Amino acid sequence: SQQGEEDPQALSIQEGENATMNCSYKTSINNLQWYRQNSGRGLVHLILIRSNEREKHSGRLRVTLDTSKKSSSLLITASRAADTASYFCATDSGSARQLTFGSGTQLTVLP
Amino acid sequence: DTGVSQNPRHKITKRGQNVTFRCDPISEHNRLYWYRQTLGQGPEFLTYFQNEAQLEKSRLLSDRFSAERPKGSFSTLEIQRTEQGDSAMYLCASSSAPGRDHNEQFFGPGTRLTVL
Repeated sequence: SQQGEEDPQALSIQEGENATMNCSYKTSINNLQWYRQNSGRGLVHLILIRSNEREKHSGRLRVTLDTSKKSSSLLITASRAADTASYFCATDSGSARQLTFGSGTQLTVLP
Repeated sequence: DTGVSQNPRHKITKRGQNVTFRCDPISEHNRLYWYRQTLGQGPEFLTYFQNEAQLEKSRLLSDRFSAERPKGSFSTLEIQRTEQGDSAMYLCASSSAPGRDHNEQFFGPGTRLTVL
């Protein structure tokens, strides 16, 4: 079952603009991860934020985590056409530490 | 290339046939996961191996599905008597033990199964 819900489901912006995607989840977590998936391809790990962290940066990516609200956001600054992809949040929980994914946000960056 | 590899990349089969997929994880990773992804959805967990032991299976894994990791290296996922509802992308991921890398999982390119 899908634990997380991404918002919005689809986002279209111009190159150079910032893109913000939100994720909500339901249960307690060890950490939360964001992945990118180009059409028909495998997932690429972007960033991991631990449950005791509130904000993390990696290049043009900024992730926040609010465990009290069970939510996270991913900000991509100065977007590029190559950022066009689906973005998924995934929570790490359970005894197997399996990832539970949301349904994703389809980001389109127009040149 | 030292990433996760999966074979075949595409498989088209007729309903009722058996299919087998292979996953080769990153060599030093002892944890291996299988996920299934249908169009427009995020991946869903199927099963997990730590070394050669299959430690957890999702309720999505019906008795037509079986997975093995005989020597703790590569893994196979077999689907018997395929049904049209089995059509999906099957993804494999591997990771090293949590605590060292906090369970960052590295995904393979997936095997896309189409059941006619």
